[in-house]
Amino acid sequence: SQTIHQWPATLVQPVGSPLSLECTVEGTSNPNLYWYRQAAGRGLQLLFYSVGIGQISSEVPQNLSASRPQDRQFILSSKKLLLSDSGFYLCAWRLRGTSGAYEQYFGPGTRLTVT
Amino acid sequence: AQSVTQLGSHVSVSEGALVLLRCNYSSSVPPYLFWYVQYPNQGLQLLLKYTSAATLVKGINGFEAEFKKSETSFHLTKPSAHMRDAAEYFCAVTWFSGGYNKLIFGAGTRLAVHP
Repeated sequence: SQTIHQWPATLVQPVGSPLSLECTVEGTSNPNLYWYRQAAGRGLQLLFYSVGIGQISSEVPQNLSASRPQDRQFILSSKKLLLSDSGFYLCAWRLRGTSGAYEQYFGPGTRLTVT
Repeated sequence: AQSVTQLGSHVSVSEGALVLLRCNYSSSVPPYLFWYVQYPNQGLQLLLKYTSAATLVKGINGFEAEFKKSETSFHLTKPSAHMRDAAEYFCAVTWFSGGYNKLIFGAGTRLAVHP
């Protein structure tokens, strides 16, 4: 069966510090991968998605970046965090392919607080 | 452009009462629709999905949803609420543009169940 891991689970970082969040998927190959952010009291905002190694699509211009160094690894980074980067970060995966019936599967999330 | 509107950011019901969470979509092409549930500090879990096979879709935990093209709706229902159903619920849509790679989420509806 497939599983998706995210770490760390919680993180408290000062403004201006760097960020690295990691997501890995087990039990599947060539997945689509996604990073979402959920700010307090708000819905899900798609930040990045990837359909393959080194292929990153950015949905929202901001001080975050994403990388996919391996097929089942997706990393979210920032060089300098802002207060507005606080939120709940969710990674998700989906089977690759042109079927609308493929749902996305979500990881447990990382709670980031920028102080 | 495709979009999802969830009417009512908060819904409160008594235990044993009918649950009705509303979702309307806007799509110029046949959509695929999903309902997800999120418990506090957790990732999203798929409840059910519409993939054009049947307009009435049954999901997990006793939930179901009916796709009504004429009303562009995909409302989520459950005949009898349980305390454990208290969570946030998200409706989402995907479409062919870009190969169904992206889900667009509604803003979410927080369901409270009281004794």
